[in-house]
Amino acid sequence: NAGVTQTPKFQVLKTGQSMTLQCAQDMNHNSMYWYRQDPGMGLRLIYYSASEGTTDKGEVPNGYNVSRLNKREFSLRLESAAPSQTSVYFCASSPPPGQYFGPGTRLTVT
Amino acid sequence: DAKTTQPNSMESNEEEPVHLPCNHSTISGTDYIHWYRQLPSQGPEYVIHGLTSNVNNRMASLAIAEDRKSSTLILHRATLRDAAVYYCIPHPIYNQGGKLIFGQGTELSVKP
Repeated sequence: NAGVTQTPKFQVLKTGQSMTLQCAQDMNHNSMYWYRQDPGMGLRLIYYSASEGTTDKGEVPNGYNVSRLNKREFSLRLESAAPSQTSVYFCASSPPPGQYFGPGTRLTVT
Repeated sequence: DAKTTQPNSMESNEEEPVHLPCNHSTISGTDYIHWYRQLPSQGPEYVIHGLTSNVNNRMASLAIAEDRKSSTLILHRATLRDAAVYYCIPHPIYNQGGKLIFGQGTELSVKP
C-alpha cells in the first residue's frame, strides 16, 4: 500500500494564480482531511470529508475549495493564491484510531 | 475543545527512557487522549491513544492519570529517530473520524 500520496511535493505560485493540490489514499478509508501547517505552528484543519460525496469546512476554509472526487481522492483548490497561503499542506485519511497523513506539499506564494 | 499544555522542548540521551507529559485538565469524559508525532519535514504520525487505562504498543506506552487530567507518553529507549515534535490531542469518542486539533507540541531532541 502506498498509503496517502500527495502531488505536487513543491509548488511556487504568483499571487492571483490558481492551482489544485491532489491527494489519494489506497486504504479504503471513508474520511479524508486537508490541513495546513505554518512555520513553528501546529496543523489547522481546512476542510474535511466524512464520506464520499460530503465535504465540510474546518477551522480555516477561506480561500479554498475542495472536491471529493471518489472514495480515494480528495483535492484542494486555491482559486486565487495569496501570500498568506504560503504553507505546508497535509492530506490525511481515517478511520480510527489514527489519521494517516501524506508527506505534504510545500507551497510558496510570492 | 479541551486545551492541552505541553513543555515546548525536552532533551534525552539515546537509549534512555523519555517521559513526555501533557496536561489536559479540561478534558471531557468522552475524549480519548491521542498522541501523534511529527518527524522533521514529514507529516504527523499516529503513536498511541487511550481512554482511562494505561496502554502499550510497539512504539510507546501511555500512562493516564486516574483523574484523566494529565497523561505521559513513555518512550522506553529513545533512538535518534525519535527526535520529533510530539502532540497530545484529546479527541471525542463519538467522533473518531473527525478533525484533530493540534497544539504546539513538545519538540524532543535526542543526543547520541
